[in-house]
Amino acid sequence: SAVISQKPSRDICQRGTSLTIQCQVDSQVTMMFWYRQQPGQSLTLIATANQGSEATYESGFVIDKFPISRPNLTFSTLTVSNMSPEDSSIYLCSVGGGNYGYTFGSGTRLTVV
Amino acid sequence: KQEVTQIPAALSVPEGENLVLNCSFTDSAIYNLQWFRQDPGKGLTSLLLIQSSQREQTSGRLNASLDKSSGRSTLYIAASQPGDSATYLCAAYSGGGADGLTFGKGTHLIIQP
Repeated sequence: SAVISQKPSRDICQRGTSLTIQCQVDSQVTMMFWYRQQPGQSLTLIATANQGSEATYESGFVIDKFPISRPNLTFSTLTVSNMSPEDSSIYLCSVGGGNYGYTFGSGTRLTVV
Repeated sequence: KQEVTQIPAALSVPEGENLVLNCSFTDSAIYNLQWFRQDPGKGLTSLLLIQSSQREQTSGRLNASLDKSSGRSTLYIAASQPGDSATYLCAAYSGGGADGLTFGKGTHLIIQP
C-alpha cells in the first residue's frame, strides 16, 4: 500500500492566520482525500482532490476556508484559512479506496490560540 | 445513510488478557470494512481490511471477523500488551468514493501493565 508523508505533525497558531498542510505520496494516485477530526470525534471528510481539477468539497466545507492544491499525482496541500479556536483539530490526508482500503497520513495536530 | 457504532467507547484491562472490540453498521450493503489504530494526536494506521465476501482476517495477535447479514464486525486482540493502548476505529465502505467511508467514534483502549 502507499506511504504518505504529512507535515507539519503539529502546530500552534494564532487566530486569524493560515496554516498549510502538505501530503506527499510515494506513488501516483488519482484522488487524495482530506479529513478533519475534531476533539473526541470521529473523522469527517472535507474534500476530494483530483489532479488537474478543482477539489470537490463536502457539505459544510467551503473553498475559501479550506483551499486545496493538487499540482501533481503525488502531492497535495490543504490550507486552513483565517483560523479560529474552533478549527483546532487533527487534519489527515488519505489515499486509496475500492477493494484496497484506505491509507492515512500521520496527521497534523492543529491548536489555534 | 450508513451509521457505524463502536462499543464499548472505552476499555481498560490488565496486560495479558484477550479482548474483543465491537463494531456495528446499519446498512449491510458494504464492499469492505477496515479496522484502524490511532495513537493520541496522530494519524490512522490500517490494521485489517475485510472484504464483503470474507468472514475474517488475521494479522499476528489480531483477528477481525465480519458478519454482513447482522451488520457486525469484531476485532479480537490476543494476549494484550501495554503497547496496544490506543483508540481503535472501524470504518465501513459502501462505495462511491471516500464519501462512502463511514467511521465509528472508536474504542479507547488502555492496557494496564
